[in-house]
Amino acid sequence: NAGVTQTPKFRVLKTGQSMTLLCAQDMNHEYMYWYRQDPGMGLRLIHYSVGEGTTAKGEVPDGYNVSRLKKQNFLLGLESAAPSQTSVYFCASSYPGFAVNTEAFFGQGTRLTVV
Amino acid sequence: DQQVKQNSPSLSVQEGRISILNCDYTNSMFDYFLWYKKYPAEGPTFLISISSIKDKNEDGRFTVFLNKSAKHLSLHIVPSQPGDSAVYFCAASFNDMRFGAGTRLTVKP
Repeated sequence: NAGVTQTPKFRVLKTGQSMTLLCAQDMNHEYMYWYRQDPGMGLRLIHYSVGEGTTAKGEVPDGYNVSRLKKQNFLLGLESAAPSQTSVYFCASSYPGFAVNTEAFFGQGTRLTVV
Repeated sequence: DQQVKQNSPSLSVQEGRISILNCDYTNSMFDYFLWYKKYPAEGPTFLISISSIKDKNEDGRFTVFLNKSAKHLSLHIVPSQPGDSAVYFCAASFNDMRFGAGTRLTVKP
């Protein structure tokens, strides 16, 4: 049982380059989320999705785009990477959603460095 | 704006004693609260939660207390064990889920 899998685990980008982080879950969860973790800031919500074909902005959405074409996958894109996007990115999923008695399952994280 | 705050970056306790981690929130719309535990190089894992209609929830050595009037919740770990050493995140949800900055707990043998 893989749970939530993030690809890649590490990446170094040059300023201005683009990349896509992939999140896959095999638990048939409706909700998926992308967070970034920075020292002293905790986990901040970037974007989330409440189902296939839907996306919504979180706390810190600027500079990122997302897509949820398939229920099991949630992609996070950086069109033009900036050093301020250096962070550890976590994907999570849950069913049925935030405000119900449920927990979110997290992936292992992607450490991204933008130089 | 930081809607969920953990004001203590670190906490150190002796094995067998009680660990108390605190969390404050500002948004009165939050209706569900969770604690997550995180080890280095791993994703956060769910520990315990509490609905806003309750003031206490217990699971083994872990108890979460909620004081809605003070917008405050706390996690009690009794007795603390060295394996509990980790970063603990408080989270609160309504339409989305917000996290605090985390508290690093060290349990000394």
